[in-house]
Amino acid sequence: EVQLVESGGGLAEPGRSLRLSCTAVGFTLVDYAMSWVRQAPGMRLEWVGFIRSKAYGATTEYAASVKGRFTISRDDSKSIAYLQMNSLKTEDTAVYFCARTVDADYVAFWGQGTLVTVSS
Amino acid sequence: QLVLTQSPSASASLGASVKLTCTLSSGHNNYAVAWYQQQPEKGPRYLMKLNSDGSHNKGDGIPDRFSGSSSGAERYLIISSLQSEDEADYYCQTWGTGIWVFGGGTKLTVL
Repeated sequence: EVQLVESGGGLAEPGRSLRLSCTAVGFTLVDYAMSWVRQAPGMRLEWVGFIRSKAYGATTEYAASVKGRFTISRDDSKSIAYLQMNSLKTEDTAVYFCARTVDADYVAFWGQGTLVTVSS
Repeated sequence: QLVLTQSPSASASLGASVKLTCTLSSGHNNYAVAWYQQQPEKGPRYLMKLNSDGSHNKGDGIPDRFSGSSSGAERYLIISSLQSEDEADYYCQTWGTGIWVFGGGTKLTVL
């Protein structure tokens, strides 16, 4: 059974850092581009960024709202994708979803999400 | 600028059909979109990829009651024989070079 298991969410103060992990179960992570999407309380889905598969250079793209602060990486040997979040702001408070994509274009499978709260 | 517009809400009766609309911004008529369902207190679920010619690829296990069609800049999600569990938020999403865009979502109420 395909699963994406996110971890690492929690409470952080503004300006601090958090790293989210997304563990792939039931499929080979190396074959897929992976994306992160977030949803602030009561708000729409918002794309954060994605990382292409190794076959496409594992290159990354980011939304303007997080570019320069967030970094997506992957360790295919461990079947884990990461979202490193630095210089956190209160507006980064959201549930963060890890997602398996099709050609880095759209999501075919979603994780269950992990809550990140940025507050002093 | 690539933008998707969705009506904030829609409603239809149990057993009826409903057509949800996602509109692409000017100049992007040939873009495909993906549709997702988000039931209350749950994560999103992939429904289908919908191309500009109306062809679509549904996700695993998505019932035949869900279909899609396209006309110009409009991308439609059609749900027939509405059931109570179809009450949810529905989002469309598209993509360009190095960018994804989500619509604002439509909250569907099943009466």
